[in-house]
Amino acid sequence: DAKTTQPNSMESNEEEPVHLPCNHSTISGTDYIHWYRQLPSQGPEYVIHGLTSNVNNRMASLAIAEDRKSSTLILHRATLRDAAVYYCILDYGGSQGNLIFGKGTKLSVKP
Amino acid sequence: DAMVIQNPRYQVTQFGKPVTLSCSQTLNHNVMYWYQQKSSQAPKLLFHYYDKDFNNEADTPDNFQSRRPNTSFCFLDIRSPGLGDAAMYLCATSRDYRGGIYNEQFFGPGTRLTVL
Repeated sequence: DAKTTQPNSMESNEEEPVHLPCNHSTISGTDYIHWYRQLPSQGPEYVIHGLTSNVNNRMASLAIAEDRKSSTLILHRATLRDAAVYYCILDYGGSQGNLIFGKGTKLSVKP
Repeated sequence: DAMVIQNPRYQVTQFGKPVTLSCSQTLNHNVMYWYQQKSSQAPKLLFHYYDKDFNNEADTPDNFQSRRPNTSFCFLDIRSPGLGDAAMYLCATSRDYRGGIYNEQFFGPGTRLTVL
């Protein structure tokens, strides 16, 4: 299984940008990169996904390295509500679309 | 709003007493998943259904079973719960397997299982 590596924890100040890194050096050409987050006492929620190009949506931006071996989730202005565990996941996009969750990054946001 | 609903939110059972957790969805998605999440750990996939086709993860204990009687509902049965089965159980759905947006998973709020 392709694996991802993320820092265990990160801290940010409210209203500042946050860059959450993820390494996925064994990614294959058809693997999508997904990001999910899990707020305390809730189920995970989808944040964003991409394949090769950078992506933007209302929640975040995803910057994908040219060699696709790493990616960065960008929260443009962190709020207290963004404090969560962020999971970077490779999606094989094949016949078994299982998401294998790694340990994730616990983001703390300080007021 | 279309959503994934799990009942109950909290379930207490006794050691060895069978328990069933339920999940329903209004998204009309083909795929339904069950995950187990223990304290401070990442969610771990137990099994999933693509329509009526059941797919068990290799390391899921036999103690865990699942049923999907129709598109909307999926059940997790724990035949003889042990203390180690205390966890949050998450149900999720996705439209398909084809990768990218088709594999976006929508999670329910989870059922927290306590085993006494």
